Amino acid sequence: EPEVTQTPSHQVTQMGQEVILRCVPISNHLYFYWYRQILGQKVEFLVSFYNNEISEKSEIFDDQFSVERPDGSNFTLKIRSTKLEDSAMYFCASRELDSLQETQYFGPGTRLLVL
Amino acid sequence: DQQVKQNSPSLSVQEGRISILNCDYTNSMFDYFLWYKKYPAEGPTFLISISSIKDKNEDGRFTVFLNKSAKHLSLHIVPSQPGDSAVYFCAASGRGTGRRALTFGSGTRLQVQP
Repeated sequence: EPEVTQTPSHQVTQMGQEVILRCVPISNHLYFYWYRQILGQKVEFLVSFYNNEISEKSEIFDDQFSVERPDGSNFTLKIRSTKLEDSAMYFCASRELDSLQETQYFGPGTRLLVL
Repeated sequence: DQQVKQNSPSLSVQEGRISILNCDYTNSMFDYFLWYKKYPAEGPTFLISISSIKDKNEDGRFTVFLNKSAKHLSLHIVPSQPGDSAVYFCAASGRGTGRRALTFGSGTRLQVQP
């Protein structure tokens, strides 16, 4: 069964460093998303991406964040200058183009720890 | 701003009995609802969904009920099995949300006792 994959599974970085989190969505999906979950809190929406551009972003997704689909398979989230409060699990999700199929499928996540 | 609420942080049931997990929402724009199961340090796994044009959807042991007038949905698991022990998240999306971005509840930890 097709699945969303994410790399790395864990990332430890120093405050102020740049990190890139990678995702490979399910191959026939055209909508892509990033969410995060800070320990003990809800899963929160960060950004949605369709047709090579951002569709919508939450207030969390400030200028330090960017997303890109550099090729036909990868979808990346970049944090330019990490802060301690960026420590969280980051989940990528994707869904089909079909408007009748709203289900988003999630990857296993990347655990980011900013020291 | 809790648009999706799961008021029970935990639930414990005996193996073979019914598990009922509840979820309330406040945003009238939500028209699609999903339940995800999550283990620690893993991503949410899709279980079952329901569109607002329906009031019930069933898939094997899992049934989701939607009461639009009460803005309430519930997930029934019958019979419950020890492997069902996990955190269950209710999520919702709707017109006007960013390309159908999901809004999640805070989760309910289900423990199924053998």
